[in-house]
Amino acid sequence: GAGVSQSPSNKVTEKGKDVELRCDPISGHTALYWYRQRLGQGLEFLIYFQGNSAPDKSGLPSDRFSAERTGESVSTLTIQRTQQEDSAVYLCASSATTGFEQYFGPGTRLTVT
Amino acid sequence: AQSVTQLGSHVSVSEGALVLLRCNYSSSVPPYLFWYVQYPNQGLQLLLKYTTGATLVKGINGFEAEFKKSETSFHLTKPSAHMSDAAEYFCAVTIQTGANNLFFGTGTRLTVIP
Repeated sequence: GAGVSQSPSNKVTEKGKDVELRCDPISGHTALYWYRQRLGQGLEFLIYFQGNSAPDKSGLPSDRFSAERTGESVSTLTIQRTQQEDSAVYLCASSATTGFEQYFGPGTRLTVT
Repeated sequence: AQSVTQLGSHVSVSEGALVLLRCNYSSSVPPYLFWYVQYPNQGLQLLLKYTTGATLVKGINGFEAEFKKSETSFHLTKPSAHMSDAAEYFCAVTIQTGANNLFFGTGTRLTVIP
């Protein structure tokens, strides 16, 4: 079946601009996660959605970052007024309610110039 | 809080040699442990996981890992390295409650020398 998909695969933006990153989880997966991977580093948790519950935003680094999810489908991660330190690969993952395995998308490489 | 330490950001082995990638975790409650592999320009792929039960876990591509509670370790091994094993490997930990978000190590880049 189809895996997690993300778009765009690459995004170059100017400092100060807003960007939106999209994630399509595996159908039927109720949990969705966003992570950030900076060059040479491990993944940092950003935000978690589970069904219709309030999202866990504890990993968001600043109020410039926000995310939405419509039901159990698509999610968008928005970064406002981008800064150079936002340059990273943003990875989305989804998992089924009863499992702990997270399935990752290919990521969006964001470059802020 | 949970955390993971991966010893060695770069590991080189000869083709056919043993692969050993080290991972130590910290968790105040019983952990769930994972190894993921990331090939260039690709997303993360699950290699194997430990949740409960048998402490020696076998995964894809001939990899295995052993959960050692006394050593708080979850090292990844493979008896004989292949060229196709060259990639970045990440160890991760989560717990049974809450968001179950993964806490990742900083990764180990494996190079296989022909």
